[in-house]
Amino acid sequence: GAGVSQTPSNKVTEKGKYVELRCDPISGHTALYWYRQSLGQGPEFLIYFQGTGAADDSGLPNDRFFAVRPEGSVSTLKIQRTERGDSAVYLCASSFDSGRGSPLHFGNGTRLTVT
Amino acid sequence: GNSVTQMEGPVTLSEEAFLTINCTYTATGYPSLFWYVQYPGEGLQLLLKATKADDKGSNKGFEATYRKETTSFHLEKGSVQVSDSAVYFCALSEDGGATNKLIFGTGTLLAVQP
Repeated sequence: GAGVSQTPSNKVTEKGKYVELRCDPISGHTALYWYRQSLGQGPEFLIYFQGTGAADDSGLPNDRFFAVRPEGSVSTLKIQRTERGDSAVYLCASSFDSGRGSPLHFGNGTRLTVT
Repeated sequence: GNSVTQMEGPVTLSEEAFLTINCTYTATGYPSLFWYVQYPGEGLQLLLKATKADDKGSNKGFEATYRKETTSFHLEKGSVQVSDSAVYFCALSEDGGATNKLIFGTGTLLAVQP
């Protein structure tokens, strides 16, 4: 497709369950970012990949959160033992390279609700 | 730490009115500054940017000037249209734009009425 695709668009899960959120970036984009947006807030950085490797994971809130990008394209954000405070919109974005004039292209996000 | 503060919304204007959305920042070093926009039902997209002091970013009739002395990056448009209705986010890159690791403000909803 032409843009960044995120699936599912909505996910409702029970507290304590495991969830996976998928991001399919724009073809050819080497950099991929995950952000989290809570209600009434701006997006907050979680992690970014340059190729297959996590170049900066300093925004992951704790060790329940993990992300992979095994082939340098699709990425999966994994959340273990979900908590109600994890409820938010999870945004994925890609750029042609890591920065320096290469703008971010965002997906529409996955709205996660933990009950 | 670094942060971005932008005016709270919603901002409601009539078509052809002048728009200002205030944004100030706190940062060490020399950040790059951005405005992103989210139209209804769409993902965030870059509206404009500035990478150094006194730079002016512009796009689609919107402008913002990087003011280091006042640590501001206010968004302006001389005549808004209904199609400009969206949420606008001010953001900074701590590493001067080396990456797209950004700090965002809370967003300002703009509603333009015909």
